[in-house]
Amino acid sequence: GDSVTQTEGQVTVSESKSLIINCTYSATSIGYPNLFWYVRYPGEGLQLLLKVITAGQKGSSRGFEATYNKEATSFHLQKASVQESDSAVYYCALGMSNYNVLYFGSGTKLTVEP
Amino acid sequence: GPKVLQIPSHQIIDMGQMVTLNCDPVSNHLYFYWYKQILGQQMEFLVNFYNGKVMEKSKLFKDQFSVERPDGSYFTLKIQPTALEDSAVYFCASSPGTGTERLFFGHGTKLSVL
Repeated sequence: GDSVTQTEGQVTVSESKSLIINCTYSATSIGYPNLFWYVRYPGEGLQLLLKVITAGQKGSSRGFEATYNKEATSFHLQKASVQESDSAVYYCALGMSNYNVLYFGSGTKLTVEP
Repeated sequence: GPKVLQIPSHQIIDMGQMVTLNCDPVSNHLYFYWYKQILGQQMEFLVNFYNGKVMEKSKLFKDQFSVERPDGSYFTLKIQPTALEDSAVYFCASSPGTGTERLFFGHGTKLSVL
């Protein structure tokens, strides 16, 4: 079936260092995969960070980037220099274009230390 | 930005009783969703709803579950009767369209079935 895997449950990074959060997906349903990163900041609801609907394209928002790699079935989230305010839980998600359903990864809790 | 409100934030109920979870979606949105997240597990799709009808539902959406949005008021998830395995956080979401449209999520309602 359709699924998303995030291998890191928790990541701790020092402020101004680089970050990569891994995400791979499996899409078996009919349709074209669309890929998303959602984020939940402390005390807030889940919100969209970025999305990419075309293979090979890169999405970016708030200094974060993710490239839709169809060959590797990956959509890793990266940031060159993190800030304390980036501390949150990040969820990778897969949506099949023919459907209204999102499949979420288990989430990666990012803690940025000063 | 647009917000989805969920009421209450926490509900404690005895097994076998009925519970109704309320969601106030973004006002001009047309599609509504419920997701379920058991502690330590991934957030999983339950059901989506459009134009007064269930469009899709997952195997998690048991016969004891029902959804409705009477007269454009709250979008509700009713569980009758509740079971211990229904204990989870339930997230409501809404979107203006389908497919690649971004979902706006509420903060969730934590349901504890005793």
